[in-house]
Amino acid sequence: AQTVTQSQPEMSVQEAETVTLSCTYDTSESDYYLFWYKQPPSRQMILVIRQEAYKQQNATENRFSVNFQKAAKSFSLKISDSQLGDAAMYFCAYTRLGGGATNKLIFGTGTLLAVQP
Amino acid sequence: EPEVTQTPSHQVTQMGQEVILRCVPISNHLYFYWYRQILGQKVEFLVSFYNNEISEKSEIFDDQFSVERPDGSNFTLKIRSTKLEDSAMYFCASSATAFFSDIQYFGAGTRLSVL
Repeated sequence: AQTVTQSQPEMSVQEAETVTLSCTYDTSESDYYLFWYKQPPSRQMILVIRQEAYKQQNATENRFSVNFQKAAKSFSLKISDSQLGDAAMYFCAYTRLGGGATNKLIFGTGTLLAVQP
Repeated sequence: EPEVTQTPSHQVTQMGQEVILRCVPISNHLYFYWYRQILGQKVEFLVSFYNNEISEKSEIFDDQFSVERPDGSNFTLKIRSTKLEDSAMYFCASSATAFFSDIQYFGAGTRLSVL
């Protein structure tokens, strides 16, 4: 069975600094997608960034980038130039290719990121 | 930007009572999901729904749970006889397709407290 592990329940970063959130996963599949979702307090989870396992190039979205290490099954999120609005719970998630009419997400437990002014 | 909306934001109920959690998915989306997160634990998949049928359900989704799309806009999760262990945050999500790269859009969640 696929699993996703986030080993950092809480992280803190100074405004304008860089922080890296860790995620590891376990799967026997060869193609899959990995996601980072952000959930601000009492707000919806929104997608931050996604990465297809077959793509070697790490995904980037503005200040957000990932370090995808397929062999190590590691998928970390780097936030550069942290802003107060980045404070949120961050979830790492996995979904696999195929399997019929669903693409259920498998989540980690989340990392609560605090941004200090 | 279109949003998934969930109501209520917090539901308190007595053990054994029925609850219905409501969701309005994004209007042109065809695939709908429920997830839950017990405090301090992982967000867990409950069920996916397409074309008025359950596509997949987890082992958590037993006979006490049901889902329905009663009209063209709402998607509901019913818990027939709530237990203490049903206390959790319930998230609704929707996507345009079921392709594995497609983004699922989430609501803000309903916190269910079973007393």
